[in-house]
Amino acid sequence: NAGVTQTPKFQVLKTGQSMTLQCAQDMNHNSMYWYRQDPGMGLRLIYYSASEGTTDKGEVPNGYNVSRLNKREFSLRLESAAPSQTSVYFCASREGQGLGNTIYFGEGSWLTVV
Amino acid sequence: EDQVTQSPEALRLQEGESSSLNCSYTVSGLRGLFWYRQDPGKGPEFLFTLYSAGEEKEKERLKATLTKKESFLHITAPKPEDSATYLCAVQARKGNTGKLIFGQGTTLQVKP
Repeated sequence: NAGVTQTPKFQVLKTGQSMTLQCAQDMNHNSMYWYRQDPGMGLRLIYYSASEGTTDKGEVPNGYNVSRLNKREFSLRLESAAPSQTSVYFCASREGQGLGNTIYFGEGSWLTVV
Repeated sequence: EDQVTQSPEALRLQEGESSSLNCSYTVSGLRGLFWYRQDPGKGPEFLFTLYSAGEEKEKERLKATLTKKESFLHITAPKPEDSATYLCAVQARKGNTGKLIFGQGTTLQVKP
């Protein structure tokens, strides 16, 4: 029972490089999210996809793009990485926005931009 | 603006010493309040969802309560394995997007 799977677990990038964080869930959930977690800042929403075929900006979308490839997969792309994007990234999924729907998180992706 | 504030930032307890963690929130219509546990190097793990003032939920040594302005996570007779960061989050009714707004977390250390 994998739940939410993120790859890679760790990545070091040079400033200006691009990369894509991959996320897949096997719970047949409709909604998927990307959060970043920084010391003292808590978890902040980058982008989300309420359902397959839709994506919307969250609290801190600048410098990122997303793709909801299908119902299972939701990727996060950094086009030109900056040191300010050094963070831990979490993908999450949820059956829907209704009451009682728990949000489940992946194990995280540690990204360092030098 | 919807906001969640947790206190204290860090808490050290001796094994068996009960205490409470606080989560204060301001939100335009509360749809749900969530508690998560996060271990170092791991993703947040769901603990509880509370929906309305007066509601309480329990799981082992943890009990979560909710009022109109705050939630408490009570830890009774904690053990070292309860050491973790506890996160509080709210979902607002506005927009109905399912987005959660998180507090900064309380890091709990329980010493044997």
